[in-house]
Amino acid sequence: DQQVKQNSPSLSVQEGRISILNCDYTNSMFDYFLWYKKYPAEGPTFLISISSIKDKNEDGRFTVFLNKSVKHLSLHIVPSQPGDSAVYFCAASGGSNYKLTFGKGTLLTVNP
Amino acid sequence: ETGVTQTPRHLVMGMTNKKSLKCEQHLGHNAMYWYKQSAKKPLELMFVYSLEERVENNSVPSRFSPECPNSSHLFLHLHTLQPEDSALYLCASSQEAAHLYTDTQYFGPGTRLTVL
Repeated sequence: DQQVKQNSPSLSVQEGRISILNCDYTNSMFDYFLWYKKYPAEGPTFLISISSIKDKNEDGRFTVFLNKSVKHLSLHIVPSQPGDSAVYFCAASGGSNYKLTFGKGTLLTVNP
Repeated sequence: ETGVTQTPRHLVMGMTNKKSLKCEQHLGHNAMYWYKQSAKKPLELMFVYSLEERVENNSVPSRFSPECPNSSHLFLHLHTLQPEDSALYLCASSQEAAHLYTDTQYFGPGTRLTVL
């Protein structure tokens, strides 16, 4: 049973527009959420995180929103740039399960 | 070198072979991890080492044997693997062993393993 779901395998956006990547989770014990970005032939790199005590965290062009009532988080990238093209993984942890549980990832393509 | 390095980057082995994957972190971290990423599946945590002691074995078959001789090095010894073990194996490290789930994990580039 997948506890972290990224239902869109891919997303294509025009340069300069907003990219919105979505993630749903099922485990109500999760209280810490992260986004990782992965380029081909490289390992995932940390992008941004959010604790369950917040509903928004912003870092430059990247903003993560958390809606605990529906167990949903999203990553907004604005403006999108071609260098943002990568696979984005959502991850969560919390409660007695400190392990990071990852989603399958969403491939973002930003077209010039 | 900086960050987290993994060798080899690609490995092809037969089911009767014995091989080892190596991970080295140059970040002064105290915790190290092995993850497996199979095709079209999420990253799965395999093992966690904290201050050179194994703190997590996520129901991994015994044909995978980790070793952490010091806080900078982590190995994954492989023997009698199956074709379904073919995957990308990622190593990661994080700063503090006491904050395993809140500290950012830094990943290596991975070893692409193919078992014939």
